[in-house]
Amino acid sequence: DAGVIQSPRHEVTEMGQEVTLRCKPISGHNSLFWYRQTMMRGLELLIYFNNNVPIDDSGMPEDRFSAKMPNASFSTLKIQPSEPRDSAVYFCASSLNGGMNTEAFFGQGTRLTVV
Amino acid sequence: AQRVTQPEKLLSVFKGAPVELKCNYSYSGSPELFWYVQYSRQRLQLLLRHISRESIKGFTADLNKGETSFHLKKPFAQEEDSAMYYCALRFYNQGGKLIFGQGTELSVKP
Repeated sequence: DAGVIQSPRHEVTEMGQEVTLRCKPISGHNSLFWYRQTMMRGLELLIYFNNNVPIDDSGMPEDRFSAKMPNASFSTLKIQPSEPRDSAVYFCASSLNGGMNTEAFFGQGTRLTVV
Repeated sequence: AQRVTQPEKLLSVFKGAPVELKCNYSYSGSPELFWYVQYSRQRLQLLLRHISRESIKGFTADLNKGETSFHLKKPFAQEEDSAMYYCALRFYNQGGKLIFGQGTELSVKP
């Protein structure tokens, strides 16, 4: 398995535009997490899914952010409209939930710059 | 509140010196704690988990429930240990929710 795959790796967009980040989890994993990484706040959990169902989206900063997981092998994080303060690295991670102390596997991240 | 705190943003030591990266957590249940590491231009990866009680790359971490701490230690730092380190807390009874501290950048100088 190639691991968690995120696309694009880099995204530069203008303020006000819609941005869609994509994630393909590891096959067989049933939990998927979206994180935002910034210098000031570190790794913030935005939302996570179990078996394609959103469990906790309390970390989503505003209504401008939305996430979907239409099937077990694909998830999107959308920002509409984007703002300069959304500039960050966004990580997706997946794990096999159901046991204790299970490891999460991370993608390489999408570096988003909103100008 | 459920929270992971890493008080140091940056820790700079010389090669061969001991290292301790601090982590405190806030959780009333039974914690599942981890340390993840992110080397330059690489993805985050698991370094160790408290349940394993093992040493990975010379690093160890002991869970202290009384002090609600899970500090990461290494007796002799190496230059290749320079990286970003994240302490993480997983909630088994919340569907495996996984939260992280703010991270500590470790810089080991020659």
